[in-house]
Amino acid sequence: EDQVTQSPEALRLQEGESSSLNCSYTVSGLRGLFWYRQDPGKGPEFLFTLYSAGEEKEKERLKATLTKKESFLHITAPKPEDSATYLCAVQAGWGKLQFGAGTQVVVTP
Amino acid sequence: DAGVTQSPTHLIKTRGQQVTLRCSPKSGHDTVSWYQQALGQGPQFIFQYYEEEERQRGNFPDRFSGHQFPNYSSELNVNALLLGDSALYLCASSPYPGLPYEQYFGPGTRLTVT
Repeated sequence: EDQVTQSPEALRLQEGESSSLNCSYTVSGLRGLFWYRQDPGKGPEFLFTLYSAGEEKEKERLKATLTKKESFLHITAPKPEDSATYLCAVQAGWGKLQFGAGTQVVVTP
Repeated sequence: DAGVTQSPTHLIKTRGQQVTLRCSPKSGHDTVSWYQQALGQGPQFIFQYYEEEERQRGNFPDRFSGHQFPNYSSELNVNALLLGDSALYLCASSPYPGLPYEQYFGPGTRLTVT
């Protein structure tokens, strides 16, 4: 069965302190890996799609990378507004997304 | 361009009752998926509708059912509510599900079962 594991569960950063979030996955025939950001009580907001090992995507202070077994979300010089839960999901077949439990990030001034 | 919309925002029901949640997909999207998210967990896939048919289903009992209308909007119905059904219910839309397009999520419906 497909599995997605995210670590750490929670991360507390000082403003400007860069860090990385990990998403390891076990899936038969990865078709896409997705990163989402979720604020409390709201729906996930799409960030990136990665399709193959070696691929990288960037958006402002966020950079996502993909290997054959895991993905990393790097947060460079974070700001308090980057505080959120970051979710990783994989798609192996027809449309279903398998999510990890997420990493809760808190950035303090 | 309106994104994915869901109604109602919040709902309180009693154990044993039935509930219907509604979703309108993002303009240009014809595929709707439903997810259940318990507190502190990632979303869990319930089912997906495309061309008014259920195409894929997750590990949820038959108490969970759905429908898709010709205008691509969708409903999620839950019968015989249990306390454990309390969660945030998310609707996501995308283009044709056969390719790994990103799914766009609505704001969710918070269901509380007492």
